[in-house]
Amino acid sequence: DIVMTQSPDSLAVSLGERATIQCKSSQTVLHSSSNKNYLSWYQQKPGQPPKLLIYWASTRESGVPDRFSGSGSGTDFTLTINTLQAEDVAVYYCQQYYSPLSITFGQGTRLEIK
Amino acid sequence: QVKLVESGGGVVQPGRSLRLSCAASGFSFSSYVMHWVRQAPGKGLEWVAGIRHDGTIQYYADSVKGRFTISRDNSKKAVYLEMTTLRGEDTAVYYCARDVSYCSGGSCHPAGYDSWGQGTPVTVSS
Repeated sequence: DIVMTQSPDSLAVSLGERATIQCKSSQTVLHSSSNKNYLSWYQQKPGQPPKLLIYWASTRESGVPDRFSGSGSGTDFTLTINTLQAEDVAVYYCQQYYSPLSITFGQGTRLEIK
Repeated sequence: QVKLVESGGGVVQPGRSLRLSCAASGFSFSSYVMHWVRQAPGKGLEWVAGIRHDGTIQYYADSVKGRFTISRDNSKKAVYLEMTTLRGEDTAVYYCARDVSYCSGGSCHPAGYDSWGQGTPVTVSS
């Protein structure tokens, strides 16, 4: 199985500042024939199901504010939230679907307001 | 709009069975791969099982292989999770999710899960 490791486990950021979350995969999730990274980011607020934010490592899902951005390729990825808003308090997960028979999520990163 | 509604959760004793259902509406259900994902209390997300759009291929996490069975009925727009020999570590909220593919440059590629239900809780306890 591809192991997804996020860092940090939690972080506190001031309103209006930038939050950065890392995700590392134990092997590449870059699909060579499509040149796309099969990695997504999700946001989960308390009592709610996850919400897809970013797919292919850097493409924002429709309706997601542009303060959310994703970057990285291969095994190292970053989710950046610029100009943090109060409503961004949530747990964030990365997910790989490079290996469709064994899909895995990172352990999650809890984002709070400082 | 796209809607997924899970049902069938509850409290069950270890070793017993339970069947979860997920009713879909608002989209062409038979065109999509569907998944079950679970979340133990206070823990992260764990993919459980997936099923191809036509039901011909199913795949499972190692933690449930041999005990859980995913199936679907495209005529009823529903996906199911039959859970047997339940254990305490199966206690979780179970979500069904739609697997989406987006097209770019003339071909289509998987892009994660764009729609989720609200989940149904399963508690395995004596």
